[in-house]
This record gives sequence, structure tokens and C-alpha cells, in this order.
Amino acid sequence: QSALTQPASVSGSPGQSITISCTGTSSDVGAYNFVSWYQQHPGKAPKLMIYDVSNRPSGVSNRFSGSKSGNTASLTISGLQAEDEADYYCSSYTSSSTWVFGGGTKLTVL
Amino acid sequence: EVQLVESGGGLVQPGGSLRLSCAASGFIVSSNYMNWVRQAPGKGLEWVSVIYSAGDTYYADSVKGRFTISRDNSKNTLYLQMNSLRAEDMAVYYCARDWSLVDWGQGTRVTVSS
Repeated sequence: QSALTQPASVSGSPGQSITISCTGTSSDVGAYNFVSWYQQHPGKAPKLMIYDVSNRPSGVSNRFSGSKSGNTASLTISGLQAEDEADYYCSSYTSSSTWVFGGGTKLTVL
Repeated sequence: EVQLVESGGGLVQPGGSLRLSCAASGFIVSSNYMNWVRQAPGKGLEWVSVIYSAGDTYYADSVKGRFTISRDNSKNTLYLQMNSLRAEDMAVYYCARDWSLVDWGQGTRVTVSS
């Protein structure tokens, strides 16, 4: 159950777009369309932003989008806003009937 | 409105035990996939365990054989029994609802120290 690989940090200016990658294996990300993305502000519980690769829960801005190619999933945030500054985590279902998270990516809005 | 409230965290010595609770409202625990996720101080999220609506349970390798997930349908509450606790189990423990962890509680802190 090795963690998925995410960049430690990304940054962008307000209004720009950024993409966070999440690389797994053929036993998790590559095997299932059960990839989710979570946003976590300091001291707060995580919030679901994307589920099943590209679906947005009700209430989540359409500036957030998800995709997947092979063993790598991606989260794109367009029109960056100050409140988007947070930690972002991906997760995937695995062939062991468990879930695995990525190490997390700190997004800085410059 | 869905609400999840964790409790039961605290200070425990290495090798000790603790039972966490997650009281749910606004939905039926036994009809949902229910998860435990933890976050060590300054670290990322780690999935711990899930219990399916049918009762199947699964665990991360790091806790298998030491932790047990369960639920009390009459109390609409999820539990995590943690035995043989280690320093590396120290974390904030969250319960989360559904396959995609749609709803989260506020977390309960577990400290393992002598």
C-alpha cells in the first residue's frame, strides 16, 4: 500500500490555472475510476472536491476539474483564487479492496 | 443535514488500547460505507479502515490485526477499537461517510506517549 505520488508544492497567481498530478500504479489509479481529490485548509477537516476521477459534488465550484490518463490522475484548478490556497490530496481505490492517499500537495496562491 | 462527531481520543501509553466513536446523524450508518482516516502531526492523510453496509471490513496494512472497525446500528455510531498502540499511531482520527469520503467529522486526537 504505497502512497500515491504528488508534487510537494505548486503555486500560481490569481486568475491562473494550475494542475496537480497524482501518480499510482496499475493496481490502483490505473485499474479503477475511483480517484478522489480533497482540499484541506489548516486545522480543518478535508473536503471532497472531485470523486470518480472527474465528478464534482454539489456545491463545489466548476473551477475544479479532474481527469485521468493511465496510472496518473490530475486535478486542475482554473481561475485561481486566494481561498484555493490549501493542501490537496488524491486518493484511489486499490486491488486490495483498500484505499490509498497521495502524500499531499501544498498550493500557494502568489 | 449529515453530521459526524468523533470522540474517545486522548493520551495512551505505548501498548495500550483506545476506542474511538463516531456518532452520526442525518443518515443511517449501517446503510453506508463508513471509513476511518488519520493524519499524523504535520503529515498527510492515511486511510485506516472501512466497513461496508453488508458488514465487510478492510484495513490498512499498518493497522491490520491491531485495529477493529465496527458499528452499533441502534446507536447509529461507528467505532474503531485500537489495541497495541504504537507511537506511529499518534494522529487525528477522522470518520468519513461513503465510498468517496463525502462527509467528514472534525476529528479526535490520539496521543501515544509514555
